[in-house]
Amino acid sequence: KNEVEQSPQNLTAQEGEFITINCSYSVGISALHWLQQHPGGGIVSLFMLSSGKKKHGRLIATINIQEKHSSLHITASHPRDSAVYICAPRGSNYKLTFGKGTLLTVNP
Amino acid sequence: GAVVSQHPSRVICKSGTSVKIECRSLDFQATTMFWYRQFPKKSLMLMATSNEGSKATYEQGVEKDKFLINHASLTLSTLTVTSAHPEDSSFYICSARRGGGTVLNTEAFFGQGTRLTVV
Repeated sequence: KNEVEQSPQNLTAQEGEFITINCSYSVGISALHWLQQHPGGGIVSLFMLSSGKKKHGRLIATINIQEKHSSLHITASHPRDSAVYICAPRGSNYKLTFGKGTLLTVNP
Repeated sequence: GAVVSQHPSRVICKSGTSVKIECRSLDFQATTMFWYRQFPKKSLMLMATSNEGSKATYEQGVEKDKFLINHASLTLSTLTVTSAHPEDSSFYICSARRGGGTVLNTEAFFGQGTRLTVV
């Protein structure tokens, strides 16, 4: 069983739709990252959270430590949001464990 | 936000040669840098953790003599793939942790990645 499970693996949406990506993990964590990887490969850390909820523009991330579950939401999705989104819990030693990613395609 | 610069972004080399990849933190001191590898359609995998001024800690299954990591200063870590073979072709990416802070609030900053192709 993978330590980090993301769903869905692939997601296609129409511009303007509300997007949710889920992440469940079995490892103990100190924090959790949501990362965005564009086709060129570069990675950007969207959020790092250890409890509750964070919002940045159209992006919202939530985490439930007791249930070992986190979600990433995108409101009013746009084609430029098309990318791979990766959930990465962090252990107490700063090491990240990565999910396989969710490929999001937003069509105009 | 903090910037991590990784160079080169793409490299093609001949089998048997060595390739050096640099990872620089441009506006902060990186106490720790992490090197990851990603195969097509696979998750990122941690290769090694490097702390400034000390030997890198390699993950199980990663050959330390093949993947040489040097973290000689607080702003620079290098990964050298020695005697490269086609199976070393992959996407390599570094991440830097800013010194200070706690495990709860310390962000991770990623380089742009290096696409290595060994022919």
